[in-house]
Amino acid sequence: GAVVSQHPSRVICKSGTSVKIECRSLDFQATTMFWYRQFPKQSLMLMATSNEGSKATYEQGVEKDKFLINHASLTLSTLTVTSAHPEDSSFYICSARGARERDQYFGPGTRLLVL
Amino acid sequence: GENVEQHPSTLSVQEGDSAVIKCTYSDSASNYFPWYKQELGKRPQLIIDIRSNVGEKKDQRIAVTLNKTAKHFSLHITETQPEDSAVYFCAASLYSSASKIIFGSGTRLSIRP
Repeated sequence: GAVVSQHPSRVICKSGTSVKIECRSLDFQATTMFWYRQFPKQSLMLMATSNEGSKATYEQGVEKDKFLINHASLTLSTLTVTSAHPEDSSFYICSARGARERDQYFGPGTRLLVL
Repeated sequence: GENVEQHPSTLSVQEGDSAVIKCTYSDSASNYFPWYKQELGKRPQLIIDIRSNVGEKKDQRIAVTLNKTAKHFSLHITETQPEDSAVYFCAASLYSSASKIIFGSGTRLSIRP
């Protein structure tokens, strides 16, 4: 099946700093990528949908100026958490879909801890 | 927008018995219903899916049923095994590459030996 990677797998940062998370589709072209956030013992909450070359569409309640999403190529999307605070600590998971794909393929996730 | 509700939130069954997880969705336009299994700290893994043009689909010990009229769909796991212990999520989506998938709240399934 299709492979999606994420980097880093874990990151610890100080409050107020920015953190960038990369999501890559390794063996297919991802026309659409999705970013999710998952708090402990909770479901995956969709944050935004990004299509290659266009601005991301954010879900209601997600601050677009805080969570910057870039999908500059068909194999890479980045999520930047700006001015991170402890409440941003979470498991961030991306997923990717190709133009002919039915399924979303999930990355392994990035665990962010903001001190 | 789409809203997916999932029940129960936790489920404990004896090994060898069956487990059933139920979901409802709100958007009648949704036509694709995947089910995911997530182990602690790992990514969700697709275990089975169903499109709205069929009412039931089976893959070995796992089956999914869909009632479009009632907007209900269910996951059935038979002959449960310890390795079935995990969190299961139902989801709903439109069947296209750009459509987002909305997840249910999850069911923590525990298999008692």
